[in-house]
Amino acid sequence: DAGVTQSPTHLIKTRGQQVTLRCSPISGHKSVSWYQQVLGQGPQFIFQYYEKEERGRGNFPDRFSARQFPNYSSELNVNALLLGDSALYLCASSGTGDNTEAFFGQGTRLTVV
Amino acid sequence: GQSLEQPSEVTAVEGAIVQINCTYQTSGFYGLSWYQQHDGGAPTFLSYNALDGLEETGRFSSFLSRSDSYGYLLLQELQMKDSASYFCAVDGSGNTGKLIFGQGTTLQVKP
Repeated sequence: DAGVTQSPTHLIKTRGQQVTLRCSPISGHKSVSWYQQVLGQGPQFIFQYYEKEERGRGNFPDRFSARQFPNYSSELNVNALLLGDSALYLCASSGTGDNTEAFFGQGTRLTVV
Repeated sequence: GQSLEQPSEVTAVEGAIVQINCTYQTSGFYGLSWYQQHDGGAPTFLSYNALDGLEETGRFSSFLSRSDSYGYLLLQELQMKDSASYFCAVDGSGNTGKLIFGQGTTLQVKP
């Protein structure tokens, strides 16, 4: 089975631009979460979506938005990019029931110049 | 606020045992997870403790004391491939879709 897949793997954008990152969860997983990981730090929670509804939002500005599609894939959008948005954006999916493990994708490395 | 504290760096030699501690202060607590991340890679799950005590999985063990808001990851028989960053993460909402991560501990294993 394929793991969590993210696209693109790398991206370079200019300040002020907008970016869309994509994530496909593990088959059967209905929960998708997004994290931002700045170099040298731990991942920071941005959003969780479950069954197409937002289940949680971290401490990020409104420039960050996300959605989940009927097939449980997800997009993260960031508007009006700032230099400080440069980071590794990680997507994680998790199943239901006795759920103790989050499965992470390889991430999208976003560089804002 | 919510915070997790873990050492920033640890160095050990091949074959040794190393313990990475984690103390947490969060508004909710359902369990403590540990993740490994190699440079530029995806974090991978190592363990999850919901109850006090020790959980053992091969060379890795994880411990939790809820009353002390403390846990640790124990790595035995260290191998070079264990050189990576290790993160503790609190599940504060009862589902692992919303994890609060520590800053990470960089483990360097030397020959």
